[in-house]
Amino acid sequence: AQKVTQAQTEISVVEKEDVTLDCVYETRDTTYYLFWYKQPPSGELVFLIRRNSFDEQNEISGRYSWNFQKSTSSFNFTITASQVVDSAVYFCALSERNAGNMLTFGGGTRLMVKP
Amino acid sequence: DGGITQSPKYLFRKEGQNVTLSCEQNLNHDAMYWYRQDPGQGLRLIYYSQIVNDFQKGDIAEGYSVSREKKESFPLTVTSAQKNPTAFYLCATTYSATNEKLFFGSGTQLSVL
Repeated sequence: AQKVTQAQTEISVVEKEDVTLDCVYETRDTTYYLFWYKQPPSGELVFLIRRNSFDEQNEISGRYSWNFQKSTSSFNFTITASQVVDSAVYFCALSERNAGNMLTFGGGTRLMVKP
Repeated sequence: DGGITQSPKYLFRKEGQNVTLSCEQNLNHDAMYWYRQDPGQGLRLIYYSQIVNDFQKGDIAEGYSVSREKKESFPLTVTSAQKNPTAFYLCATTYSATNEKLFFGSGTQLSVL
């Protein structure tokens, strides 16, 4: 069965610090997809990234970067030079090839960025 | 504006009462989903529908019911059989069920009086 673990339930940083959110997953499928979503205080989840299991290239988008390592079953998310607007709950999620869009979510990491 | 509209934003249920959460979308997406979010936990799938007039149970369907009579609408009823309904409910859609990203509504907070 698929499983996603986000061991950090809450992280607090000061603005401009770098912060990494950890995500570890379990799956028996060789083809799967990993996602990160951001949930600001408004409640709506916002899509950040999707990565398939065959693409281990790291990705950078502005201050955001993702490190996918199949060897350790991890898909970590780093925010560089954090800002107060980054404060939110971040979810990592996994879907398997044959599961359509049946996402399994991790428990989420609440990030608080203080000015 | 294109998007997903969930209503109401806050809902209170009395014991023994059924309540219905609305989810409407104008994105022309085929698939729609209902998730439940409890404090400090991830989202869990309640029901999903890939086409009109068809829907499937998710991981925690007991005590809930849905209908999909129109492509745009996927209402969720929380029945009296759901003994612990207090949670944040999120509706999501996607163009098709092919591991694409989900688009989410802004959610409904359901509380028990």
